[in-house]
Amino acid sequence: GENVEQHPSTLSVQEGDSAVIKCTYSDSASNYFPWYKQELGKRPQLIIDIRSNVGEKKDQRIAVTLNKTAKHFSLHITETQPEDSAVYFCAASPRQFYFGTGTSLTVIP
Amino acid sequence: NAGVTQTPKFQVLKTGQSMTLQCAQDMNHEYMSWYRQDPGMGLRLIHYSVGAGITDQGEVPNGYNVSRSTTEDFPLRLLSAAPSQTSVYFCASSFRTSGMGSSYEQYFGPGTRLTVT
Repeated sequence: GENVEQHPSTLSVQEGDSAVIKCTYSDSASNYFPWYKQELGKRPQLIIDIRSNVGEKKDQRIAVTLNKTAKHFSLHITETQPEDSAVYFCAASPRQFYFGTGTSLTVIP
Repeated sequence: NAGVTQTPKFQVLKTGQSMTLQCAQDMNHEYMSWYRQDPGMGLRLIHYSVGAGITDQGEVPNGYNVSRSTTEDFPLRLLSAAPSQTSVYFCASSFRTSGMGSSYEQYFGPGTRLTVT
């Protein structure tokens, strides 16, 4: 089955700086790569996604890149704000969803 | 639309007890899944269903049963609870997007926090 690895497990940045979270996957059949944000005690919320026919997607301060050849994808958050502090999960989907182990992002005011 | 709903929000069981976690969605999504979330381990797929009457095992199915008699409901049954099943359980539903590079978009319920003593 699919194996998704996510790094780093924790990340601290100063407010206004950028944050980058990286994931790799193993199954070349995966064609959909969503990112979820989970605040403490809440459900994961879809924040951005990318499909295998696209190399990059941007939504305001959030962007995701995909390198199918290398089987890795990344989440980029620019101009970070304290409300960006949360746990972020990547996932890869051939149909079922396989998740990374999460990155705890702390934005320091 | 209520989206994906789960009951109960919290549950405490004794070892050996059985119970059913309820999940329902009103979005007519064909695809539903159950995950458990444990610290440092992300979300792991327990069982999933691609439509009414069809279920399959995920990564960690042992100790759990599911059924899908309707499109809307996807209950998860713990047959004989064990302390190792202490976790937060999320139900999710997905729909297939249209167009080039179609895939499944997934949305989560609010979760059930289960403690087995």
